[in-house]
Amino acid sequence: GENVEQHPSTLSVQEGDSAVIKCTYSDSASNYFPWYKQELGKRPQLIIDIRSNVGEKKDQRIAVTLNKTAKHFSLHITETQPEDSAVYFCAARGVGGNTPLVFGKGTRLSVIA
Amino acid sequence: ETGVTQTPRHLVMGMTNKKSLKCEQHLGHNAMYWYKQSAKKPLELMFVYSLEERVENNSVPSRFSPECPNSSHLFLHLHTLQPEDSALYLCASSQDLGINQPQHFGDGTRLSIL
Repeated sequence: GENVEQHPSTLSVQEGDSAVIKCTYSDSASNYFPWYKQELGKRPQLIIDIRSNVGEKKDQRIAVTLNKTAKHFSLHITETQPEDSAVYFCAARGVGGNTPLVFGKGTRLSVIA
Repeated sequence: ETGVTQTPRHLVMGMTNKKSLKCEQHLGHNAMYWYKQSAKKPLELMFVYSLEERVENNSVPSRFSPECPNSSHLFLHLHTLQPEDSALYLCASSQDLGINQPQHFGDGTRLSIL
C-alpha cells in the first residue's frame, strides 16, 4: 500500500520568510495529493490539492509542486504570517477501487513575529 | 462553518462506561471515516464506510464498534476503553471513496478516559 513520509516534523520561520514542507510517497500510481492545515484545537482543513496531471498549483501565498518521477511533492508558503502557524498534513491517494487517503505525520509550523 | 458535525465535542468517561460518538454530514457524501489523533502522533485511520458498507478496519480493537445506519450518519460505540484511548476522534466524509476529491473533517470529539 501507499506510504507517505513528511519532513520536517517541526519548522520555525521568521514572519515574512518562506516555508517549505516536503513529502514523498511510495506508490507511483498515486494521483491525488491534498494538503491540510490544522490549527490548534480545530479540525484539519483542506488548503490546496494537486492532481498528477499538473506539476504546480498556486493559490495566493500557497503553492504546491509535484515531481512524479521522484515521487515527491512540496508545499510552499511565501510571506509567512503568524496566522500560518499550525500543523500541516500532506496526503496521497493511490489508484484503484476503495483507496482512502494516506496521511503524512504532519509538520508543526511556527511563524515568529 | 462545517458540513460535518460531531457530537459531543468533549467526553470524559470511566473505563467501564459505554458511550457513543456521533457524526453527521450534510454534504451528500457517500464515504465516511473515523480517525484517531493522539498528541504528537499522525492521523490514524480507524474505519472507512462507503455507501453504508464498512470497507476498511485497520486492526482496531473490538472495544471500538462503528455503525453507519445511512450515508449521512456515522457512530462510534465505545465500551471498556483504556487510558491510552484518550485522544481526539475525527470524523470525515468525501464524495466517494474512489475519486480524487478531498475529505472534509468535523471538529472532533476530545475523549478522556479516567
